[in-house]
Amino acid sequence: NAGVTQTPKFQVLKTGQSMTLQCAQDMNHNSMYWYRQDPGMGLRLIYYSASEGTTDKGEVPNGYNVSRLNKREFSLRLESAAPSQTSVYFCASSEMGLAQETQYFGPGTRLLVL
Amino acid sequence: KQEVTQIPAALSVPEGENLVLNCSFTDSAIYNLQWFRQDPGKGLTSLLLIQSSQREQTSGRLNASLDKSSGRSTLYIAASQPGDSATYLCAVKGYGGSQGNLIFGKGTKLSVKP
Repeated sequence: NAGVTQTPKFQVLKTGQSMTLQCAQDMNHNSMYWYRQDPGMGLRLIYYSASEGTTDKGEVPNGYNVSRLNKREFSLRLESAAPSQTSVYFCASSEMGLAQETQYFGPGTRLLVL
Repeated sequence: KQEVTQIPAALSVPEGENLVLNCSFTDSAIYNLQWFRQDPGKGLTSLLLIQSSQREQTSGRLNASLDKSSGRSTLYIAASQPGDSATYLCAVKGYGGSQGNLIFGKGTKLSVKP
């Protein structure tokens, strides 16, 4: 099993450009999450999907949209990238989205917005 | 609002030493607390998860304790090895708020020198 995979690994954008970060998991998990990690800030939740067909905002959703394409895939879209969105983005998944579960993380996408 | 603090921010020790990483949180109403390991340029790997009803968890040379009433957790690493060099993150899951909303500390960067 590959676990949680993310593409691309690294991306450079110009301000105003759009892009979609892809995430897929092969563990048959119901819940998926998008986090961003900034220096000196720790990881913060952007959006999550409790199950296929549902999405909800996390702590820092502004400037992002998400799509739960199917049970395996959860994408994060930046419609008009801003320098403040320069960050490392992590996708994670958990089996049922229950409070007591562990989340499994992907390797991250490093995004630089110029 | 829940805040998670990790002290120290960085730690350098010689190989073979036992060491303790500290994590504190401001709101004791938590479901659980997790310790993660993050290697440079990589995702997060869950090390130990302590449910709110538990006092400690052990895995190999790692032991994590939880004192919910005082808002503290420690990660004890016995007989440290150069391969333990990484950033260690503490995260708590509280009641309410966004489902799956782990609140992360900023991490402790550990360097174990041969």
